Amino acid sequence: AQKITQTQPGMFVQEKEAVTLDCTYDTSDPSYGLFWYKQPSSGEMIFLIYQGSYDQQNATEGRYSLNFQKARKSANLVISASQLGDSAMYFCAIKRGATNKLIFGTGTLLAVQP
Amino acid sequence: EAGVTQFPSHSVIEKGQTVTLRCDPISGHDNLYWYRRVMGKEIKFLLHFVKESKQDESGMPNNRFLAERTGGTYSTLKVQPAELEDSGVYFCASSQAVGYGNTIYFGEGSWLTVV
Repeated sequence: AQKITQTQPGMFVQEKEAVTLDCTYDTSDPSYGLFWYKQPSSGEMIFLIYQGSYDQQNATEGRYSLNFQKARKSANLVISASQLGDSAMYFCAIKRGATNKLIFGTGTLLAVQP
Repeated sequence: EAGVTQFPSHSVIEKGQTVTLRCDPISGHDNLYWYRRVMGKEIKFLLHFVKESKQDESGMPNNRFLAERTGGTYSTLKVQPAELEDSGVYFCASSQAVGYGNTIYFGEGSWLTVV
């Protein structure tokens, strides 16, 4: 069975600083994908970044980067230069390579302070 | 290009009533999914359509939930009769294909409150 663990229920960060949101996973599948989604107060689930288990390099998308440590089964999200608009819930999710069924973590609520 | 759209955005119904949620996936996406998040719990998979066929409905909680996708376009999720524990956010998502590297895009969710 697959599982995602997000150990930080809430985080604070000062505007313009970097923040790391933790995500560890458990899977026995050799092929899998890891996703991060952002859910602002409006409710929409916004796709942020994707990392495939066979990808050699860490994924990056603008201010978002994924610190993928396969041996440790961790896929931490790094947000650089935090902005007030980054305040939201952040969900880490995993899916098996052959399916599109996502398993989500419990989320981390990030608050960016001015 | 329009994203995944869901209707209604919010719904308050009494226990025992029926509610129907609608989802329009991104145009051209054959794969459509329903997820839900009940209060304090993780977001959980409900089911997966490929075009009009149910590919995986292992997450459907019970037979009070009925999902359809006539013609392989929009989908509806009906809850009949609704119970208090059905309250939560129901997300629809879509993707172009299945498998490694395919991104899944979510809608804004339909917030259901059963009183």
